[in-house]
Amino acid sequence: TQLLEQSPQFLSIQEGENLTVYCNSSSVFSSLQWYRQEPGEGPVLLVTVVTGGEVKKLKRLTFQFGDARKDSSLHITAAQPGDTGLYLCAGADSWGKLQFGAGTQVVVTP
Amino acid sequence: ETGVTQTPRHLVMGMTNKKSLKCEQHLGHNAMYWYKQSAKKPLELMFVYSLEERVENNSVPSRFSPECPNSSHLFLHLHTLQPEDSALYLCASSQSRGVNQPQHFGDGTRLSIL
Repeated sequence: TQLLEQSPQFLSIQEGENLTVYCNSSSVFSSLQWYRQEPGEGPVLLVTVVTGGEVKKLKRLTFQFGDARKDSSLHITAAQPGDTGLYLCAGADSWGKLQFGAGTQVVVTP
Repeated sequence: ETGVTQTPRHLVMGMTNKKSLKCEQHLGHNAMYWYKQSAKKPLELMFVYSLEERVENNSVPSRFSPECPNSSHLFLHLHTLQPEDSALYLCASSQSRGVNQPQHFGDGTRLSIL
C-alpha cells in the first residue's frame, strides 16, 4: 500500500499571507491529483500533475510534482477567505487507483 | 453542481436496519466508485465499477453490498451496520478507469449508526 502523508494537518493564517501544503510518499506515483473539499460537499479536483518536476499554476495556486514523482507541494499566494477548505492529495498507480492523504485543513481569516 | 448526485444527504439508522445509498451521475462516465471518509483519516476506496462490472472490492465487510444496474446509477446497500461505520460516504465517477482520469465526487451521504 502506498502511504501518502500530508503536512501540516491544520493551518490557520490571515488573509494576504502565503502558505504551503506538502504531500509526501516513499512510493512513486504515475500521477498526482490535488482536490479541495468544503464543508458539506465532496472533493473537487484542482489539478493533475504527471511529469516529474512539473509545475502548474492555477491563479494564486502553484502545484509542483517532485522530480522522483514521490512528493508534491501546493503553494497559495496571498490567501483569501475563499481558499478555506480541506486540501487533499491523491496519488495514482498505473491502474489509475487513487491513494488519498488525510488532508490539510486550511483556514484563512479576514 | 458536479454532475454526481447522492441521496439521501443524511441518514441515521439503527444497527439492525436495512437502508440503501443512491448515486446518480449525469456525465456519461463509465467508471463509478464508493469511498468512505472518516474524520482525520484518508478517503478509503471501497468499491470500483467499470462498465457496470465490479472490478475492485477492497476487503469491505459483507454488511456493505454495492449494486450497479447501469452506468449512471450506483447503490450501496447497508444492513446490520456497526457504530464504527458512521462516516461520510462519497460516490465518484470518471470517464474510465486509468491514470490521469479526474474523479468527480458527489456531496456524500452523512451516515450515523445509533
